[in-house]
Amino acid sequence: DAMVIQNPRYQVTQFGKPVTLSCSQTLNHNVMYWYQQKSSQAPKLLFHYYDKDFNNEADTPDNFQSRRPNTSFCFLDIRSPGLGDAAMYLCATSRDGGENQPQHFGDGTRLSIL
Amino acid sequence: AQSVTQLDSHVSVSEGTPVLLRCNYSSSYSPSLFWYVQHPNKGLQLLLKYTSAATLVKGINGFEAEFKKSETSFHLTKPSAHMSDAAEYFCVVSRNTGGFKTIFGAGTRLFVKA
Repeated sequence: DAMVIQNPRYQVTQFGKPVTLSCSQTLNHNVMYWYQQKSSQAPKLLFHYYDKDFNNEADTPDNFQSRRPNTSFCFLDIRSPGLGDAAMYLCATSRDGGENQPQHFGDGTRLSIL
Repeated sequence: AQSVTQLDSHVSVSEGTPVLLRCNYSSSYSPSLFWYVQHPNKGLQLLLKYTSAATLVKGINGFEAEFKKSETSFHLTKPSAHMSDAAEYFCVVSRNTGGFKTIFGAGTRLFVKA
């Protein structure tokens, strides 16, 4: 089945130690999104790629960066994680970002900061 | 500006009774609207979407929603709740005019009692 896969499902890192979360998709979708979701809250969009075109949300901290080396993979890099960055990180895709297109979500990576 | 309001943060029903999760939206033009479900430690799964075709939209797992322009509502219903319906539900409005934007409601937690 075509899907969005996130690895790892659980990630523990130390305060200030860089961490990378990965996402892959077999849907061949043009758009990939990264969301941060804290407990009992809605997902918050960090940034998205339309193909290789990177689009950052205005309020996404500089500490968060992303890479998309090819259509299938996208990475979220947190350069110096703080305690406030502990959250679920969700990757999603859509075919071409049209407003009538649903997003397809992975099961997320839960990040803990020690 | 577009916005979406989920009127209840928590809804509790008994198994076998109807489910109603309320969503109001604000939009300057006819929007695309979605309902997603999120089970614990999982990503979001699309239940259904409205994209200006039929106003009554049928989704997966017996859910449906009715788009009412006069009331700016898109409430989610199910005739008979099942224990497996216990989850978080998000109403989402999407636009691609003047820049891509997906706006999530705050979510409604559905509890199903045996």
